[in-house]
Order: sequence, then C-alpha cells, then structure tokens
Amino acid sequence: QQQVKQSPQSLIVQKGGISIINCAYENTAFDYFPWYQQFPGKGPALLIAIRPDVSEKKEGRFTISFNKSAKQFSLHIMDSQPGDSATYFCAASRREYGNKLVFGAGTILRVKS
Amino acid sequence: DTEVTQTPKHLVMGMTNKKSLKCEQHMGHRAMYWYKQKAKKPPELMFVYSYEKLSINESVPSRFSPECPNSSLLNLHLHALQPEDSALYLCASSQETLNTEAFFGQGTRLTVV
Repeated sequence: QQQVKQSPQSLIVQKGGISIINCAYENTAFDYFPWYQQFPGKGPALLIAIRPDVSEKKEGRFTISFNKSAKQFSLHIMDSQPGDSATYFCAASRREYGNKLVFGAGTILRVKS
Repeated sequence: DTEVTQTPKHLVMGMTNKKSLKCEQHMGHRAMYWYKQKAKKPPELMFVYSYEKLSINESVPSRFSPECPNSSLLNLHLHALQPEDSALYLCASSQETLNTEAFFGQGTRLTVV
C-alpha cells in the first residue's frame, strides 16, 4: 500500500521529443505527488508537484497529469534537451505521516542530440 | 534561496570510528529530514524532525543518532557502522511537515571501510 510504481526503468528520447514517465499508487490516503530530478552525485531537485484536486499542472516544459480514479500520475517533458538527461523520481506523501516521501524506483532518461 | 547545505561532501570512516554529518538551512523551515540513498535506488526516509523534535524514526539502527540543535541545523551522528551502511545520505527540509515542498541538499557520500 505504501509503494509507488514507476515506469519505464529507462528511456531514450531524441532531442526535441516528448519524454513521458508514469507512476501508479495504491494508497488513496496519499495527497501530494512531487517529481524530483537527480543528476549523478547530486541531491534530488524538486521539479514540479501536484495535489489530487487538480488534474494537470504545467511549469515551463514540464507537465504533470493526474488521474485520481486510476491512481496514476505522469510527467511529460516537452521539447526534451540533452541537459534533461538525469534520473527522475516520482513520489507521494500523506498529510498525517510527517511529509514522508515514498519514492518510485526512478527512471533514467537519456536525451540524444 | 532554496539551499540546504550538507557537510562533508565525502566521508570515509572505519567501522570503529565516530563521525557526524551536518546539515544547515536558512529558509526558516521547521521540518528537517534524513534520507539514505543506495546506488541506483530511490531515497529512503530515516528520520523526521518537526519543530526540533523527532517525530518519525523509520526503525533505523541505533548506530545512527540524529540531533536537531536548533531550527536551522540537523546532525546525524554515526558510530560503529557497517560496510553496508555506505550510501549517499541526504538532508531535506520543508516549511513544515504538512505536505509542503521538500528541498534536498547535495548529500554526503559515506564509505565505511
């Protein structure tokens, strides 16, 4: 119930293409869903986050789509660039458990130039 | 400024050593976290401090001892570690624990020999 399942494990996209990473969760008590980007040797950096009362949120080239009934959410990276090559983690947390982030397994994105 | 500063960046310690990891933030956040990240895995929560009090301990072995001297500082004291404790240790902070954005530091790469 605490798991967040993330797919694909790795992804190769051409420069200018759209990168799509999907996550699914079981625990309906989760009420906050962030995405983190991590470069090798660095800490995770918050990219964008969504709450379940919103179906979509866009910030620049990054969009989260959220489907509450299906318990799924996804990250779309438009116009993908080589600098976007990194590991992406989805996560979920719930209000009454101290903002504990439960992370997906991660997706290694490589954008080919 | 969304900076969380961790020191040292790298640490090598023997199994009989005592060392400490330090974390500092000046964003006025009242929640601070320790996460552990093994290679090619997502971060896993270890401890949560809320208003300088330990609120969550994820059944972490006692050889890891957290301390929150004030609202800006978080320490992790290490003693009698095992080689399998080698990992990237990440500190994070958020405004409070009620589902606000969590910002991570760059981490301390710990190697136990």
